[in-house]
Amino acid sequence: GAVVSQHPSWVICKSGTSVKIECRSLDFQATTMFWYRQFPKQSLMLMATSNEGSKATYEQGVEKDKFLINHASLTLSTLTVTSAHPEDSSFYICSARDWGHPGAFFGQGTRLTVV
Amino acid sequence: GQQVMQIPQYQHVQEGEDFTTYCNSSTTLSNIQWYKQRPGGHPVFLIQLVKSGEVKKQKRLTFQFGEAKKNSSLHITATQTTDVGTYFCAGPQETSGSRLTFGEGTQLTVNP
Repeated sequence: GAVVSQHPSWVICKSGTSVKIECRSLDFQATTMFWYRQFPKQSLMLMATSNEGSKATYEQGVEKDKFLINHASLTLSTLTVTSAHPEDSSFYICSARDWGHPGAFFGQGTRLTVV
Repeated sequence: GQQVMQIPQYQHVQEGEDFTTYCNSSTTLSNIQWYKQRPGGHPVFLIQLVKSGEVKKQKRLTFQFGEAKKNSSLHITATQTTDVGTYFCAGPQETSGSRLTFGEGTQLTVNP
């Protein structure tokens, strides 16, 4: 099946710094990718829809200036958590759909810890 | 807005027992998807149901889509330790079918 690769798998950063997370579709092109956030033992909350070549669409309550999304190519979307604070610590996961496949393929996720 | 609810939140079973998780949507769904997330892992697509009343089987897993296309269930027969994980249902958002709303998930633990 299709593969979505996410990097890094975990990162620890200091409060106030920015962190970039990459999401790549390895064997298919994805004009749209999705970014989720997941707290321990909770569900996946959609943060934003990343659109290749255009602006991302953010869900209600998600600060677009804090969570910068760039989708510069058909195989790469990036999420940058700017000026990270401890409350931003979470598990961030991306997903993409492959044409003709009913379900979404998820990246391995990135566990962000802000200290 | 659209809500997708799932029960139970947790389920502990002995190996060999059956397991069922239920999913209910506040709105009619064009389809429903099921995912499994192993501890420390990422969600993996299991199946999609589209038709009213549809039933699909994958070995010991049986998936059902309600007649009104607002509820669904996943039943596992004779659980094994490899079934451990969190099972999520997800439905497409009304405003954009490609965006999914996930249920809260049911965390299954299986005691050997």
